[in-house]
Amino acid sequence: QVQLVESGGGVVQPGRSLRLSCAASGFTFSDFALHWVRQAPGKGLEWMAVISNDGNKKYYADSVKGRSTISRDNSKNTVYLEMNSLRAEDTALYYCARAYSYDLDYWGQGTLVTVSS
Amino acid sequence: DIQMTQSPSSLSASVGDRVTITCRASQSISSYLNWYQQKPGKAPNLLIYSASSLQSGVPSRFSGSGSGTDFTLTISSLQPEDFATYYCQQTYGTSSAFGQGTKVEIK
Repeated sequence: QVQLVESGGGVVQPGRSLRLSCAASGFTFSDFALHWVRQAPGKGLEWMAVISNDGNKKYYADSVKGRSTISRDNSKNTVYLEMNSLRAEDTALYYCARAYSYDLDYWGQGTLVTVSS
Repeated sequence: DIQMTQSPSSLSASVGDRVTITCRASQSISSYLNWYQQKPGKAPNLLIYSASSLQSGVPSRFSGSGSGTDFTLTISSLQPEDFATYYCQQTYGTSSAFGQGTKVEIK
């Protein structure tokens, strides 16, 4: 069965960097684009970024462009999200999700990032 | 970036009610519109893709319609397990965005 497992969250100080990982299994990883979506506590979903199946195309939301980098390693079935200059407003649950055509058909359970001094 | 506006932001309804949620895009997105259901503490679950196609395993009481800028999610007869928050998402072009969500509560 398809599984996506995020990791790398935790408490981080403002201004620091963090790299999140999402390990995939149960499908041919290199056939699918992957997205990152976040959700601040008690708030709605915010789309962040997408990476194509081969890693050659990457697109970002304006709100995170320049501070975030999405990447993938198809040999490890893992997608990453690196975030720099973290702010309190980056505190959220971060999900990775598989793109089946133009929709997100499988989601992980998320990893929580708390930005606090 | 294309903005998505959902209405209402919340609603109260009873079991058996017909419920309609709307989503409007700031520009035409053809049919690149998806709907998700999210329950507390859980990841979102895909209900409808490409505006009107029902995801496998989703009950037929859920339906979607619309194209261009205006879209609708309808629950024909609300069931107890349908009380949740619903989000639309556009996937037109190289970016994506979600609506702000509609919380469906028990009346």
